[in-house]
Amino acid sequence: DIVMTQSPDSLGVSLGERATINCKSSQTVLSSSNNKNYLAWYQHKPGQPPRLLIYWASMRESGVPDRFSGSGSGTDFTLTISSLQAEDVALYFCHQYYSIPATFGQGTRLDIK
Amino acid sequence: QLQVQESGPRLVRPSETLSLTCGVSGGSISSRSYYWGWIRQPPGKGLEWIGSISYGASAYYNPSLQSRVTISLDTSKKQFSLRLSSVTAADTAVYYCARQATTVTPGEIDSWGQGTLVTVSS
Repeated sequence: DIVMTQSPDSLGVSLGERATINCKSSQTVLSSSNNKNYLAWYQHKPGQPPRLLIYWASMRESGVPDRFSGSGSGTDFTLTISSLQAEDVALYFCHQYYSIPATFGQGTRLDIK
Repeated sequence: QLQVQESGPRLVRPSETLSLTCGVSGGSISSRSYYWGWIRQPPGKGLEWIGSISYGASAYYNPSLQSRVTISLDTSKKQFSLRLSSVTAADTAVYYCARQATTVTPGEIDSWGQGTLVTVSS
């Protein structure tokens, strides 16, 4: 199984500042056949279902604010929130769908500093 | 907008079979463009993908659970189901149903249910 490791486990950022969350996979999730990274990012708030933010490592899901962006390739990926808003307080996790079984990062808890 | 919602018993006895159903509304369950899957999260632990099925295609299962899991699709009722046999306390978890995009195999999860806590206990 591909192990997904996120860092940090928790993060405090001031309103309006940049938040950066990292996700590292134990094996590549980049397909040589289509040059796509099989990596997604989600936001999860208490009492709500998780929300898809980013897929193919850098494609923003429809309706997701453009302050959210994804980057990286191969085994190292980053979710960036360019200017933190109060409503961004949540748990964020990554997900690889390159190989079966799909696996998830342990999550990063983002709070306001 | 597509919605999925889990239903089923919240308490299951050890050694019995856990059965959950996911109702789909606001979209077609017969589309070959999506997989319909189950993910779980035991208390205090991370997410675990259980398996996924698509209309007209085979199901994919997590090898760690494959011997105990069956996922099926009922297009007439617009729902899909999870059966997990021979449960133990380790199967206590919040169970999510979800829709996944597909590129051949299950992809990113674009719709999640609210999740339902299923407890295995006598």
